[in-house]
Amino acid sequence: DAKTTQPPSMDCAEGRAANLPCNHSTISGNEYVYWYRQIHSQGPQYIIHGLKNNETNEMASLIITEDRKSSTLILPHATLRDTAVYYCIVRVERWFSFGAGTTVTVRA
Amino acid sequence: GAVVSQHPSRVICKSGTSVKIECRSLDFQATTMFWYRQFPKQSLMLMATSNEGSKATYEQGVEKDKFLINHASLTLSTLTVTSAHPEDSSFYICSAVEPGLAGVGQYFGPGTRLTVT
Repeated sequence: DAKTTQPPSMDCAEGRAANLPCNHSTISGNEYVYWYRQIHSQGPQYIIHGLKNNETNEMASLIITEDRKSSTLILPHATLRDTAVYYCIVRVERWFSFGAGTTVTVRA
Repeated sequence: GAVVSQHPSRVICKSGTSVKIECRSLDFQATTMFWYRQFPKQSLMLMATSNEGSKATYEQGVEKDKFLINHASLTLSTLTVTSAHPEDSSFYICSAVEPGLAGVGQYFGPGTRLTVT
């Protein structure tokens, strides 16, 4: 599975959009990009995933660059409940390799 | 989305005893489940892959005789920590794969906090 690189932490203001970057320069053609988040002392929560096209659901949007070497998760209107560790995972096999993720703190 | 449950959510046991953790897929059948472990301020680490009707596959460094995994049905996998020691205290999380969907990810349980005294 391709390795991902995420910033260790970021702050954002409540009500504003949060843009979380992820680099995956060694991604191969059949590997999906997944985003999960983990709120303190809970199991990871699925957010969104994509292969080539940009994706949007009720939680977030996923923007994947044309060369697929990086992606951005967008939380359109961050709330205090969005404070969590966000994991970007690239994989083709069924199990996940978790990196350190990005600790996102939403401030009032 | 699909729901995965774990029981118990928290358990405290004495050193030397065994503890069983259950992982259930509530609204789908999962031929494969995964067990992860997470120590404080660290990320999740895969321990083993649980396959329905066959032996589990353990990651390097995980003792199969200490962490017994049973996947007896398509909706239930159990992890038994045998002869638990304080260093086994951790957050144990299971996940399940819903088959038949392209690019499907994993659905995670809420986790079980194990404290060994």
